[in-house]
Amino acid sequence: EVQLLESGGGLVQPGGSLRLSCAGAGFTFTTYPMTWVRQAPGKGLEWVSLISGDGHNTYYAESVKGRFTISRDNSKSTLYLQMNSLGADDTAVYYCAKENGETSAADSWGQGTLVTVSS
Amino acid sequence: DIHMNQSPSSVSASVGDRVTITCRASQTISNYLNWYQQKPGKAPKLLIYAAFSLQSGVPSRFSGSGSRTDFTLSISSLQPDDFATYYCQQSYSAPYTFGQGTKLEIK
Repeated sequence: EVQLLESGGGLVQPGGSLRLSCAGAGFTFTTYPMTWVRQAPGKGLEWVSLISGDGHNTYYAESVKGRFTISRDNSKSTLYLQMNSLGADDTAVYYCAKENGETSAADSWGQGTLVTVSS
Repeated sequence: DIHMNQSPSSVSASVGDRVTITCRASQTISNYLNWYQQKPGKAPKLLIYAAFSLQSGVPSRFSGSGSRTDFTLSISSLQPDDFATYYCQQSYSAPYTFGQGTKLEIK
């Protein structure tokens, strides 16, 4: 059974930084691209970032480009999201998700971790 | 970026009804269209990928259709467990944008 467990969320001041982690289990981690998706309180889903299985290719939403960095450590089956220059608009539940490797659908999701940007 | 427009934004229906949700892409995305279900406080769940392929374990009352820019999610006979919010997503070209969501409520 695929398991994804996010951690690292919390309260951070505007302009601050935070690093999220997502530990994967139950699948061959290095085989699959991984994604971060966020959801602001009461709002819809927003795709944030994607990283290829080998970590060589990364993609970002325009809203986070230049501030967020996605990475992965395949030896630890762990995905990361380094978030810098955080603003109130970044307040959201952040989900990591595994892609299905066929059509880039997110077929398994973590439970989410809440990031609150506030002074 | 590819924009995804879902409609309606909300719909009320009864158990046993058939419901259809539509999703339109701002440019062709072939069949790289996914549908997700989300319940309050829970992570999204993949229902349909590649426009019409049913994810393992998803009931057959869910079905998807369409290609290029116009897509549909249908639920043939609503069950109490189906009342949730539904999102479409294109995975043709990064950023893999979502539609704004459709909230399915009990009439």
